[in-house]
Amino acid sequence: DAGVTQSPTHLIKTRGQHVTLRCSPISGHKSVSWYQQVLGQGPQFIFQYYEKEERGRGNFPDRFSARQFPNYSSELNVNALLLGDSALYLCASSPDRGNPTYNEQFFGPGTRLTVL
Amino acid sequence: AQKVTQAQTEISVVEKEDVTLDCVYETRDTTYYLFWYKQPPSGELVFLIRRNSFDEQNEISGRYSWNFQKSTSSFNFTITASQVVDSAVYFCALRPNSGYSTLTFGKGTMLLVSP
Repeated sequence: DAGVTQSPTHLIKTRGQHVTLRCSPISGHKSVSWYQQVLGQGPQFIFQYYEKEERGRGNFPDRFSARQFPNYSSELNVNALLLGDSALYLCASSPDRGNPTYNEQFFGPGTRLTVL
Repeated sequence: AQKVTQAQTEISVVEKEDVTLDCVYETRDTTYYLFWYKQPPSGELVFLIRRNSFDEQNEISGRYSWNFQKSTSSFNFTITASQVVDSAVYFCALRPNSGYSTLTFGKGTMLLVSP
């Protein structure tokens, strides 16, 4: 079975631009979470979506937004890019069957965003 | 608020040595899960182990073992007989025992295993 996939793998943007990152979860997984990992730090939670609804949001500005589609894939959008947005953006999916035992998160390879 | 602290930023060992990675956590939840993930240079986070807060039994899985002590809020991870392929950044993470699966990560410990 295919794991979590993300596109693109690498991206270079300039300050002020907008970027869209995409994620396809593991088949059957209905929950998608986004994390930002700045170089030398651990991943920081940005958003969690389940059944197209936002279930959680981390401490990120409104420039960050996301959505989930009927096929459970997801997009992360970042507007007015800043140099500090340069990071590895990780997507994770989980089945979320209601029992926390099954709420394991499986991570994709990430999208490395560089803002110049 | 939840917090995970990994005080060791980098550890260097020689192949076949045992190495222990430290993790201390803070949470107000009475039940929760603790994890260790490995991140090789490729960037993908690889799940290693999980422990729930209501089971303090320590276990061994192959070359991996962990020591969970709720009294000191610590969840240390040991690799026995380290190998060069173990070189990576290791993250400790915490998740509340609820329907949401959000993880709080530590800053990671870089492990370098030399031949």
